[in-house]
Amino acid sequence: KAGVTQTPRYLIKTRGQQVTLSCSPISGHRSVSWYQQTPGQGLQFLFEYFSETQRNKGNFPGRFSGRQFSNSRSEMNVSTLELGDSALYLCASSLESDREGSPLHFGNGTRLTVT
Amino acid sequence: GESVGLHLPTLSVQEGDNSIINCAYSNSASDYFIWYKQESGKGPQFIIDIRSNMDKRQGQRVTVLLNKTVKHLSLQIAATQPGDSAVYFCAEISNSGYALNFGKGTSLLVTP
Repeated sequence: KAGVTQTPRYLIKTRGQQVTLSCSPISGHRSVSWYQQTPGQGLQFLFEYFSETQRNKGNFPGRFSGRQFSNSRSEMNVSTLELGDSALYLCASSLESDREGSPLHFGNGTRLTVT
Repeated sequence: GESVGLHLPTLSVQEGDNSIINCAYSNSASDYFIWYKQESGKGPQFIIDIRSNMDKRQGQRVTVLLNKTVKHLSLQIAATQPGDSAVYFCAEISNSGYALNFGKGTSLLVTP
């Protein structure tokens, strides 16, 4: 079974631009979560989607948004990029939520660099 | 608020020895914990999980121990191998139930 696939693997953008990252979950997984990983803050939760609905959102500004499609694939968008948005963005999928004992399975991330 | 922290940022062990990675949590209501391993250039990889109604759970060469009294979690790796070199994260379910709160991570270095 293929794992979580994230595209692109690397991105370089300029301040003020916007970016869209894509995630394909493991087949059959209906929950998709996004995390931001930086050396200073570690792994921080962005948002979680299930059946095209956002169920929870982390403490990030409104410039960060996402969506999930009917096939469970997900995208996240960051508008008006800032230097501090440079990070590894990780997508993870699970059958349900972790409350059900279904752990998250992560992709290898998209490395975003904002210059 | 809830938080998940690790006792040691780095751990160096010799190949063949056992490794113990520790984690403290502050939310006594946490009821599900997960250990992840992250190798360079890759996303976190699920290792093992444990529910709060358990004290111990074993996997292949790994054991997770949960001490709810002192809110402490540990990951034991038996016969550590060079391929075990990575950053290890503990995580707990947030109050919302849909997000994980991750610790800062412990870097494990296995020397020959």
